Amino acid sequence: LAKTTQPISMDSYEGQEVNITCSHNNIATNDYITWYQQFPSQGPRFIIQGYKTKVTNEVASLFIPADRKSSTLSLPRVSLSDTAVYYCLVGWDSNYQLIWGAGTKLIIKP
Amino acid sequence: EPEVTQTPSHQVTQMGQEVILRCVPISNHLYFYWYRQILGQKVEFLVSFYNNEISEKSEIFDDQFSVERPDGSNFTLKIRSTKLEDSAMYFCASSDGVQIYEQYFGPGTRLTVT
Repeated sequence: LAKTTQPISMDSYEGQEVNITCSHNNIATNDYITWYQQFPSQGPRFIIQGYKTKVTNEVASLFIPADRKSSTLSLPRVSLSDTAVYYCLVGWDSNYQLIWGAGTKLIIKP
Repeated sequence: EPEVTQTPSHQVTQMGQEVILRCVPISNHLYFYWYRQILGQKVEFLVSFYNNEISEKSEIFDDQFSVERPDGSNFTLKIRSTKLEDSAMYFCASSDGVQIYEQYFGPGTRLTVT
C-alpha cells in the first residue's frame, strides 16, 4: 500500500499559481497517481491522473519526477472557487480500492 | 455532461430505523460504489458493485448494510437499524471500468441519525 503525505492546508491568492506536492515514497511500479478535488458538502471530483513525467488537462497539470516518489499538482491562476480539499491518491488498498488520505485544504484569498 | 444523482439530499431518521439511500449512476458505467464521509474526516470506502454483485467491501460494510440494483438505473444502499455513528455524508460513485482511477461521484446524501 502506497502511503501518501501532503500538506494539511495551504493558502494562496487569486491569480496565483498553486503547487501542491504529495510524497509517496513506496509507490509500486504499477501504481498510478490520481488527484481529486472536493468542495464543501459535495462529492469528490476527479481532476487528473498520471504515471510519469507531465500530464496536463484543462484544469491542472501534474508533474511526476523520474523516481515517482512524489508528485506535484499545479493549478494555474487560481480563483476563489478553487477553494477546496485536494486529495492525492496512489495505488490501491487490500480491497483494490482507492486510498483516501486527509487531503490538502486549499484556501484562496481575494 | 452526464452525472451521478442521489436522493434524498438529506435524510433524518431515528436510531433503530432503516433507511434507503438512492443513486442513479451514469448510464453506461459498469462499476458502482458507496462511500461515506463523517463530518471533517476522510472519505471511507464501503462497497463496490459490478455485474449485479458485490465485488469488494470494507470492514465497515457489515450485516447492517446492503446494496441492490433493483433495475437498470438505480443503485441503493440500505442501512438497517441505524445508529448515531451512522450519521455521515454518503456518496455514490460510478466508473466505466476502463479508467479505473476515474470515478464520478454524486452530490451525496447527508444522513442524520437522532
